[in-house]
Amino acid sequence: AQSVSQHNHHVILSEAASLELGCNYSYGGTVNLFWYVQYPGQHLQLLLKYFSGDPLVKGIKGFEAEFIKSKFSFNLRKPSVQWSDTAEYFCAVKAPGSQGNLIFGKGTKLSVKP
Amino acid sequence: DSGVTQTPKHLITATGQRVTLRCSPRSGDLSVYWYQQSLDQGLQFLIQYYNGEERAKGNILERFSAQQFPDLHSELNLSSLELGDSALYFCASSVNGEQFFGPGTRLTVL
Repeated sequence: AQSVSQHNHHVILSEAASLELGCNYSYGGTVNLFWYVQYPGQHLQLLLKYFSGDPLVKGIKGFEAEFIKSKFSFNLRKPSVQWSDTAEYFCAVKAPGSQGNLIFGKGTKLSVKP
Repeated sequence: DSGVTQTPKHLITATGQRVTLRCSPRSGDLSVYWYQQSLDQGLQFLIQYYNGEERAKGNILERFSAQQFPDLHSELNLSSLELGDSALYFCASSVNGEQFFGPGTRLTVL
């Protein structure tokens, strides 16, 4: 079945550690890719998106993601995390031919220890 | 603040009841999407409306229905509620492929 997979359910890091969260999708063709963040008790906020062009995408709050078409991946990275990055992170795909609705991964909970 | 508003913020009801969740999209956005977030299923797309017309359906149960009104606000109607319908319900509106999410309605079915 077509899906979006996030490899890590829960990641625990210390402040200043580097972060990489994996995301793989199984849709062929042209996809639009997104990373959303959900801080505790809050709504989803867009971190970054990829539609086309440079596969290395820079988002807000120092996050970036790399689209690797051959690997069907769109991993999220941040060189140095802060305690305030503690949140849940969702990868999402707008599949080819869809009306715009997003297919979300299960999410990765990130806990950053001060 | 995304500009998308949802009411109520919390809703507690009993099994078998019916509830209505309301969403107002950002000014000018014609599309409204409804999503359900639960612990076991994650974030799932339910249904999309565009300028008053249903555009796409996802994993929406027959007990659930939605509509979008001429002023573009949308309502999600959930009926014959079951314990498993307890979840966070988000709506989103979009422009240029980017979706902006509302704060959600937390539904608890007792």
